[in-house]
Amino acid sequence: GNSVTQMEGPVTLSEEAFLTINCTYTATGYPSLFWYVQYPGEGLQLLLKATKADDKGSNKGFEATYRKETTSFHLEKGSVQVSDSAVYFCALSGSARQLTFGSGTQLTVLP
Amino acid sequence: DTGVSQDPRHKITKRGQNVTFRCDPISEHNRLYWYRQTLGQGPEFLTYFQNEAQLEKSRLLSDRFSAERPKGSFSTLEIQRTEQGDSAMYLCASSWTEDTEAFFGQGTRLTVV
Repeated sequence: GNSVTQMEGPVTLSEEAFLTINCTYTATGYPSLFWYVQYPGEGLQLLLKATKADDKGSNKGFEATYRKETTSFHLEKGSVQVSDSAVYFCALSGSARQLTFGSGTQLTVLP
Repeated sequence: DTGVSQDPRHKITKRGQNVTFRCDPISEHNRLYWYRQTLGQGPEFLTYFQNEAQLEKSRLLSDRFSAERPKGSFSTLEIQRTEQGDSAMYLCASSWTEDTEAFFGQGTRLTVV
């Protein structure tokens, strides 16, 4: 079956530091890949997505590239802000478009 | 439109009681999903609807769980004879089609005591 393995947290960074959150997946076929973010007290929000190999998703300074050869979709941001503090989930979509999520990575950015 | 709304936001119940949650998707979204999220884990798929038809159910959805979407608009998730292991956040999401973004509600947090 489908599965997503996500870098364990929590991750604590200083403002303006470089962020990488690793994500690898196992899936049949050619899934779409997603990063969702959950800010404190809010629902899950789609951060970015990629639908085929070598696609790069980007939003709000975050980027992730769909790497089929390494089955990875690592999230990166060049300079994090305090407002980026949240829980980040990597996910893939199955045949019926239901999502399989990783366990989440808590990011805290200190001023 | 205010997005996906879920009611109640919090529910505390005694073991053995029945509970029902409601989800109102974004207007005209045809797809509606239910997920369950336990502490420190990502959401796990439970079931989804295409309009009023329930098309897939996860093996996580035991016989004590039932979901409906009678008119293809709002949906309810009922848990009968609740157990402590049912304590979790129950999330609802909706999307226009199978290929468009799923929007999530804030969830219903269930605590079984």
